[in-house]
Amino acid sequence: AQRVTQPEKLLSVFKGAPVELKCNYSYSGSPELFWYVQYSRQRLQLLLRHISRESIKGFTADLNKGETSFHLKKPFAQEEDSAMYYCALRRGSTLGRLYFGRGTQLTVWP
Amino acid sequence: DTGVSQDPRHKITKRGQNVTFRCDPISEHNRLYWYRQTLGQGPEFLTYFQNEAQLEKSRLLSDRFSAERPKGSFSTLEIQRTEQGDSAMYLCASSLGASTNEKLFFGSGTQLSVL
Repeated sequence: AQRVTQPEKLLSVFKGAPVELKCNYSYSGSPELFWYVQYSRQRLQLLLRHISRESIKGFTADLNKGETSFHLKKPFAQEEDSAMYYCALRRGSTLGRLYFGRGTQLTVWP
Repeated sequence: DTGVSQDPRHKITKRGQNVTFRCDPISEHNRLYWYRQTLGQGPEFLTYFQNEAQLEKSRLLSDRFSAERPKGSFSTLEIQRTEQGDSAMYLCASSLGASTNEKLFFGSGTQLSVL
């Protein structure tokens, strides 16, 4: 079975501080990992996906298969980064459904 | 707004009543998903369509739940004989599927409250 764990429900940092949102997964196959974000009063939207190895809004995430992790990092947090972040997994063998973690609410204080 | 549209935004109903939600995806998107989200949890997959074909259903989708996408465009999700445990945010998403780079576009959701 597959599972996505986000151990921190809440995370607070000050502006300019580094931030890391943790995501661990369990899946025996080759997963595809994603980070989705929901800003206040906005829709859930894709932030980044591991397969693209991209940096979006200063955020990066590396898939670590040995540690089964896909942590989201940003070296200098900004107030506008305050949002709910969800890690999601898709089984590599099938397109379609995503398995989401419970989310981490990030607050960046001025 | 050319994004995913869901109607209604809010629905309050009494236990035992039937409710129906509608989702209009982005026009060229061939895939449409339904997710359910309860407080403090991430979205949980319910079902998805590729064009008009329903390709996968979660075990969460009991016999009281039915979804349709009759012409491969909009979709409806019906819940019969609602229960208090059905109270949740129902999210619809669409995508231009068929690749591992599939990106989901979510609607604003329908908040269901069962009294």
